[in-house]
Amino acid sequence: NAGVTQTPKFQVLKTGQSMTLQCAQDMNHEYMSWYRQDPGMGLRLIHYSVGAGITDQGEVPNGYNVSRSTTEDFPLRLLSAAPSQTSVYFCASNSWSGIDNSPLHFGNGTRLTVT
Amino acid sequence: KNEVEQSPQNLTAQEGEFITINCSYSVGISALHWLQQHPGGGIVSLFMLSSGKKKHGRLIATINIQEKHSSLHITASHPRDSAVYICAVRELKTSYDKVIFGPGTSLSVIP
Repeated sequence: NAGVTQTPKFQVLKTGQSMTLQCAQDMNHEYMSWYRQDPGMGLRLIHYSVGAGITDQGEVPNGYNVSRSTTEDFPLRLLSAAPSQTSVYFCASNSWSGIDNSPLHFGNGTRLTVT
Repeated sequence: KNEVEQSPQNLTAQEGEFITINCSYSVGISALHWLQQHPGGGIVSLFMLSSGKKKHGRLIATINIQEKHSSLHITASHPRDSAVYICAVRELKTSYDKVIFGPGTSLSVIP
């Protein structure tokens, strides 16, 4: 049981380049999300998904796309990287269904630098 | 004003000291989480609380729902406790899993 697996761990991009951050979980969680973490600020929600085929925007969605073709995978795409997207990115999953509480499970993070 | 606040922002302690980190929040919640993040590392869930108190080893978490306040205590602190501790609240009655994170408390335990 690997939990939440996130790749890559580090990435350097030039402005305008594109890339995909991968996230996979093996806990059969319906709910998955992407956060970014910036110094002095709490984690902020980028996009989330309540199940395969369903995604929605979070607090800071601009510049990012997501898709959820399977329960297990939830990739985050940067179509044209900007220096403002330099951050640490975390993928998370849980079994939230709206009426119960479930522990939060995070990946190990991706440290992205855009030059 | 941030919906989740933590104090102190930074904390340095001597090994063996008793440590308290505080969290206050302003929204209605269904649960509060305490998370730990080691430097350069991932985020690990320590506790999930909706009332009362929980204990795991040297860590104790308490919550007062009426006062919208939670504390994380570390007894007999050790250098391996050095990490950022994050308070997060799960907001009540939302259409998605709205989790609001505090800014974190950076703890350094010196031998």
